[in-house]
Amino acid sequence: EVQLLESGGGLVQPGGSLRLSCAASGFTFSSYAMSWVRQAPGKGLEWVSAIGSGGGTTYYLDSVKGRFTISRDNSKKTLYLQMNSLRAEDTAVYYCAKYSSSSGPDAFDIWGQGTVVTVSS
Amino acid sequence: QSALTQPASVSGSPGQSITMSCTGTSSDVGSYNLVSWYQNHPGKAPKLMIYQGSKRPSGVSNRFSGSKSGNTASLTISGLQAEDEADYFCCSFAGSGTRWVFGGGTKLTVL
Repeated sequence: EVQLLESGGGLVQPGGSLRLSCAASGFTFSSYAMSWVRQAPGKGLEWVSAIGSGGGTTYYLDSVKGRFTISRDNSKKTLYLQMNSLRAEDTAVYYCAKYSSSSGPDAFDIWGQGTVVTVSS
Repeated sequence: QSALTQPASVSGSPGQSITMSCTGTSSDVGSYNLVSWYQNHPGKAPKLMIYQGSKRPSGVSNRFSGSKSGNTASLTISGLQAEDEADYFCCSFAGSGTRWVFGGGTKLTVL
């Protein structure tokens, strides 16, 4: 079964750090770009970051540039999001999502269940 | 405020058809044939319903259809069923810089 499972969320104080992980199974992880998408309480979805299949190309939402780092370990079939200097406005459910095509941007065909990040003192 | 504009809610009775809109700009929806729609039941993983504006992934009912005109994309659900009640989000590719933008979501209520 094709599956993504996020972990690493929790409660953190403003200015703190968290590392999210997303374990993939059921597909050739190394062939697909991956993304993180978040949903703040009562808000819509917001794309956060993306990484190419090999890990050499990364993209970020302007508001997280310089604070968040996306990475992947294809040998472990795992996607990561290192989040530093966290702010209250980063509070959200964070989803990892798989690109549907291995040949370029298309859509997100597989999503995880999400992990909750709460930034509060 | 989300980058793409969706109505907050739509509703319909079982068996009826509904259409929800997703309005962007010439920099996203209007420039790329890469609009997708996602169904999101509370507490579950979002599910891809439509990609490339009008294509359905394998396993998605043909009651779901998508279209686009200019800067506005639309999702139509025909023969409404109780299980269609969920939040629906649209998404568009927005180029190398911004990458992806989403709508604020539309809550579909099946009366």
